[in-house]
Amino acid sequence: GQQLNQSPQSMFIQEGEDVSMNCTSSSIFNTWLWYKQDPGEGPVLLIALYKAGELTSNGRLTAQFGITRKDSFLNISASIPSDVGIYFCAGHRGNTGKLIFGQGTTLQVKP
Amino acid sequence: ETGVTQTPRHLVMGMTNKKSLKCEQHLGHNAMYWYKQSAKKPLELMFVYSLEERVENNSVPSRFSPECPNSSHLFLHLHTLQPEDSALYLCASSQDWSGGNIQYFGAGTRLSVL
Repeated sequence: GQQLNQSPQSMFIQEGEDVSMNCTSSSIFNTWLWYKQDPGEGPVLLIALYKAGELTSNGRLTAQFGITRKDSFLNISASIPSDVGIYFCAGHRGNTGKLIFGQGTTLQVKP
Repeated sequence: ETGVTQTPRHLVMGMTNKKSLKCEQHLGHNAMYWYKQSAKKPLELMFVYSLEERVENNSVPSRFSPECPNSSHLFLHLHTLQPEDSALYLCASSQDWSGGNIQYFGAGTRLSVL
C-alpha cells in the first residue's frame, strides 16, 4: 500500500543536542509535509516541501525533499524542552488532497 | 489557533448512546476531513468533503455518519459505537481537494466508549 516508514519511532535526548528523523517510501511523492503534535492537541504544520531537492528552514528546523522523491528528513538543532512531542511526516501522491502519514517520531528532551 | 475548532474536546459515551462531533473552520477552505488517531498508528483518513460533497469514504463502519451542511461546518454523528472506537478524532481543512494543499487540523475530540 501507500505507506510511509518513519524513523526512529522514539528518541530521548539531552537538551542542546541536534535531532534527525526521516521518512522513506517505495513510491514517489509530490509533496512532503512535516507536522508536530503536542499532547492533547492536533498536528501543527512545521514545514512544507514541494520540489525534489528542496531544503527549507523554519527557525531551528530544517527539512529536505529527497532527490529521488521517495524520502524526506527533518533536523532540529539545539533542542529545547518545548520540542517535546510527536513529529509526523506526510506526503501527497497523485492529484487529490489525500495525505499519507508516517507513524510518527516521539521526541523527549531531558533538561 | 489553527482556524479549525472542534467540539467537544472530550466525550465519554456508552455503546447505546448517540452523539455528534462538530468541526468548524474559519479559513474559507473548500475541503474538510475526518481522521481517526489511535495510539501507535498513523492517522487514518475516514471521510473527505469537497464543496459539501463527500469525495472519499475509507470503508468506515456505518455507525459513523458524516454530515457537511456547508463548507464551514462538518459533523460526525456517532451511534452504537464499540469500545475499539475509542480514539482521538481529528478534523482538518484545506483550500481545496487537490494535491499539494496543506491540511490544517483542529485540536481533536478525545472519545471514550464504555
